[in-house]
Amino acid sequence: AQTVTQSQPEMSVQEAETVTLSCTYDTSESDYYLFWYKQPPSRQMILVIRQEAYKQQNATENRFSVNFQKAAKSFSLKISDSQLGDAAMYFCAYRIKAAGNKLTFGGGTRVLVKP
Amino acid sequence: DTAVSQTPKYLVTQMGNDKSIKCEQNLGHDTMYWYKQDSKKFLKIMFSYNNKELIINETVPNRFSPKSPDKAHLNLHINSLELGDSAVYFCASSPRSYNEQFFGPGTRLTVL
Repeated sequence: AQTVTQSQPEMSVQEAETVTLSCTYDTSESDYYLFWYKQPPSRQMILVIRQEAYKQQNATENRFSVNFQKAAKSFSLKISDSQLGDAAMYFCAYRIKAAGNKLTFGGGTRVLVKP
Repeated sequence: DTAVSQTPKYLVTQMGNDKSIKCEQNLGHDTMYWYKQDSKKFLKIMFSYNNKELIINETVPNRFSPKSPDKAHLNLHINSLELGDSAVYFCASSPRSYNEQFFGPGTRLTVL
């Protein structure tokens, strides 16, 4: 079965500090994309960052960066200089062409930001 | 000028009723999806349509029937609603294969 696992149900970070969210996945496919989505209390799903599996370079979007370890099937998200607006649920997901391009999500990690 | 819109945003109904949720995207995308987010926040694909053609139908009770009248719309009809159908339902769309999926605001369905 193809799965995505987020082992941290909740993470707390001080404002301006850095927090890293872990994600591991399991697939036998080699052609896939990885994503981190943010879901604030408004429940809107917002794409944070995307990583193509064929690219070795880690993706970066402003304060958000990933550590993509393809052999280990690991895709962690680092949030630097955390802000109060970063408080949300974060979901790791992958998308595999062979599986019809659907997104398969992890269980989510709730991020709390302390002022 | 909302990209992916869903109506209604909230839906409260009694067990046994039939209800529909509508989704529209104005992005010109070919592919649309329905996802269900349960009370534990777990998100799972239900259906996917590409240019009005069903391409993904996960293990979903046949009380759920998607309908795509055109590629900009994907509606979800649910018959004989059950308590376990209470969830947030998200519509999403994408232009093709590996592009980002854009999500609608979600519809919170509560079955009493």
